[in-house]
Amino acid sequence: DQQVKQNSPSLSVQEGRISILNCDYTNSMFDYFLWYKKYPAEGPTFLISISSIKDKNEDGRFTVFLNKSAKHLSLHIVPSQPGDSAVYFCAARSMDSNYQLIWGAGTKLIIKP
Amino acid sequence: DAGITQSPRHKVTETGTPVTLRCHQTENHRYMYWYRQDPGHGLRLIHYSYGVKDTDKGEVSDGYSVSRSKTEDFLLTLESATSSQTSVYFCAAAQHGAGNQPQHFGDGTRLSIL
Repeated sequence: DQQVKQNSPSLSVQEGRISILNCDYTNSMFDYFLWYKKYPAEGPTFLISISSIKDKNEDGRFTVFLNKSAKHLSLHIVPSQPGDSAVYFCAARSMDSNYQLIWGAGTKLIIKP
Repeated sequence: DAGITQSPRHKVTETGTPVTLRCHQTENHRYMYWYRQDPGHGLRLIHYSYGVKDTDKGEVSDGYSVSRSKTEDFLLTLESATSSQTSVYFCAAAQHGAGNQPQHFGDGTRLSIL
């Protein structure tokens, strides 16, 4: 039973357009959410995060939106660049599991030139 | 990233043999983690450490043990490897364990159990 779901295994977006990656969760004990980016043969790297007390956090081209009532968050990348092609993981901090992270399965983003 | 080195990077071994994976960090982070990544799954926590000689189980700890005798090294051992343990293993480190600080990852170890 996956508590963090990224329902789109892959997403293809034209360079310069907006990329929107989605993440749904089921556990109301999640209170902090993080996005990581992963290139092939490398480990994940931290991208951006958001606390459950906020509904938006922005860092340059990256914005994360949180809708607690829908248990949904999304990562917006504007404008999309070729270097953004990677796998994006959503992770949630669980207050009922010693604050460990529960990860989604990832979405592979492909930016087309 | 944060000086996390995993060794070996690739390993092929046979069912029933013991395997040890090593994670080395240079940033003096207190917390260290071992995850496995499988197709269709996100990263799943195997074990973590919150200090020298202090470790705890994660979500998928069966069949694995860990040791941390020095701040910089965190070892993951498969006592008797099984084919279900074929996976990509990632080590991570963080200064704080509250989950709201980024974890820094190594580049992974691809382990195949035949």
